[in-house]
Amino acid sequence: AQRVTQPEKLLSVFKGAPVELKCNYSYSGSPELFWYVQYSRQRLQLLLRHISRESIKGFTADLNKGETSFHLKKPFAQEEDSAMYYCALRRISSGSARQLTFGSGTQLTVLP
Amino acid sequence: EPEVTQTPSHQVTQMGQEVILRCVPISNHLYFYWYRQILGQKVEFLVSFYNNEISEKSEIFDDQFSVERPDGSNFTLKIRSTKLEDSAMYFCASFSGLRSYEQYFGPGTRLTVT
Repeated sequence: AQRVTQPEKLLSVFKGAPVELKCNYSYSGSPELFWYVQYSRQRLQLLLRHISRESIKGFTADLNKGETSFHLKKPFAQEEDSAMYYCALRRISSGSARQLTFGSGTQLTVLP
Repeated sequence: EPEVTQTPSHQVTQMGQEVILRCVPISNHLYFYWYRQILGQKVEFLVSFYNNEISEKSEIFDDQFSVERPDGSNFTLKIRSTKLEDSAMYFCASFSGLRSYEQYFGPGTRLTVT
């Protein structure tokens, strides 16, 4: 069975400081990894997917298969980045319903 | 941009009552899901629906739960006899089925069982 671990429930940084939200996963096959963000009173929305190797709102995440990690990073945090961040895994296997397995989330607060 | 919609946004019910949560997925999507988030806990998968049938379900999705897509657009989650521990935020999601594409989530229905 797959598992996603986000060790930090809460993370506070000052505006302009670098931020890293940790995510580790366990899965025997090849997963797809995602970061979802939930701003206050809004729905879950996709921030990043590992396969596209993109940078969204200054955030990047690299899949490290050796360390089974997919940490989310931003060099200079902004106050509008304050939100709940969820790391999620999706199995890529034939016949899979492709549901997401979520980590427990990290509440990021960017202080002025 | 198309969105997943859910109704109602908040449902209060008494223990033992039946509730139906409604979702309208994105129209050309093939996979539909229900997830649950108990306050302070992680988002948990309940069930997936593909080709008009359940494709996978979690241990949470017991006989008290059922899903259907009665008219080709709505996707519903029914809880037959609610328990206090069913109080949670319920999210509907839909997915096109194409690899690397995202699941789109609805805004959620907050279910409160008293």
